[in-house]
Amino acid sequence: GNSVTQMEGPVTLSEEAFLTINCTYTATGYPSLFWYVQYPGEGLQLLLKATKADDKGSNKGFEATYRKETTSFHLEKGSVQVSDSAVYFCALNIPRSGNTGKLIFGQGTTLQVKP
Amino acid sequence: KAGVTQTPRYLIKTRGQQVTLSCSPISGHRSVSWYQQTPGQGLQFLFEYFSETQRNKGNFPGRFSGRQFSNSRSEMNVSTLELGDSALYLCASSLGDRGPMNTEAFFGQGTRLTVV
Repeated sequence: GNSVTQMEGPVTLSEEAFLTINCTYTATGYPSLFWYVQYPGEGLQLLLKATKADDKGSNKGFEATYRKETTSFHLEKGSVQVSDSAVYFCALNIPRSGNTGKLIFGQGTTLQVKP
Repeated sequence: KAGVTQTPRYLIKTRGQQVTLSCSPISGHRSVSWYQQTPGQGLQFLFEYFSETQRNKGNFPGRFSGRQFSNSRSEMNVSTLELGDSALYLCASSLGDRGPMNTEAFFGQGTRLTVV
């Protein structure tokens, strides 16, 4: 079946450190891949996406590249800020399938950035 | 452009009662999906509605149901509430077409349901 696996958290970093959150997936068909972020007490916000192999999604200094050969979509940021502290979710769906509207999420990774 | 609106934001219900949650999608979006978020199970897909029809369903008991109206607004109902139904319920809207560029989902802030 389709699934997403994220690295376990929490991840604690100092401000301006480099961030990597690993995400790997298993999917039939051709998935689209997403990173969502959730701040305390809030819903999910789409951070970035990629819809085909080798696509790079980017937003607010965050980047992730769709790697079909390693079935991965790792999230990176060169210099984190305290305001980046949140829970990050990797997710996929399968367009053009019976599961188009269904997002499959990883378990989430909590990021805490200290001043 | 207004985002996805969920009401109410917070609910406290007693075991055995039923509850209805509401979701208004982004204008022009025809797909509405519902998710349950709990600390133990994470984010789990409940169901998706597209053009007033349930298009997909997750693995939840029949106590969980939903519907979608002609204006794409959706409601989710949970009957005979159990303590384990306490969760954050999130609604997401998307254009709903099956192409990869149209499956991007936008989430509301959620309804926090507490069952006592």
